[in-house]
Amino acid sequence: QKEVEQDPGPLSVPEGAIVSLNCTYSNSAFQYFMWYRQYSRKGPELLMYTYSSGNKEDGRFTAQVDKSSKYISLFIRDSQPSDSATYLCAMTPVSGQNFVFGPGTRLSVLP
Amino acid sequence: EPEVTQTPSHQVTQMGQEVILRCVPISNHLYFYWYRQILGQKVEFLVSFYNNEISEKSEIFDDQFSVERPDGSNFTLKIRSTKLEDSAMYFCASSESSGNTDTQYFGPGTRLTVL
Repeated sequence: QKEVEQDPGPLSVPEGAIVSLNCTYSNSAFQYFMWYRQYSRKGPELLMYTYSSGNKEDGRFTAQVDKSSKYISLFIRDSQPSDSATYLCAMTPVSGQNFVFGPGTRLSVLP
Repeated sequence: EPEVTQTPSHQVTQMGQEVILRCVPISNHLYFYWYRQILGQKVEFLVSFYNNEISEKSEIFDDQFSVERPDGSNFTLKIRSTKLEDSAMYFCASSESSGNTDTQYFGPGTRLTVL
């Protein structure tokens, strides 16, 4: 079993749709969870950061962490064509230590 | 807004040559990292660096690789004798001193092509 897995893409949605992106993981020691957006041939850009279980909202983005299920989600409301990118989840057991990334889900939001 | 910068954006080299990839982390950050991403694959951790020494490294980071902070601003990754399989995007990242709200900010990457 891979350490971090993501729903396979690509995912295509119409503009304005609600998008749900998910990751599962196997290491129960992970405590810090991040979502990054990566445009083609660019570096990952931090979107959301959460610690332990719960929800966090920032504008159109909501991150959820369910540590009991080892499952994290990113929801994008009112999706825009500019949201088209690859979304990477990342996690670490200790703040400031190296991250383990998921393989990414490629999202296309169609106008 | 402060950001991590990397140079060059694209480096082409012959197999067996040495390359140095350069990064300028965010100025008040204390932890520095290198990651790589082979085309079409996931981002992989290489090494983390704090207080002028390596704090953690992956199995990818073998004797061909080294890191250095030669002055107060730059952070470099050196590959001594490049191999074809070193072709990848290399990302530098930095973070503030450790804490519950800490996280890493990535540079735009250097695309390394080994011929």
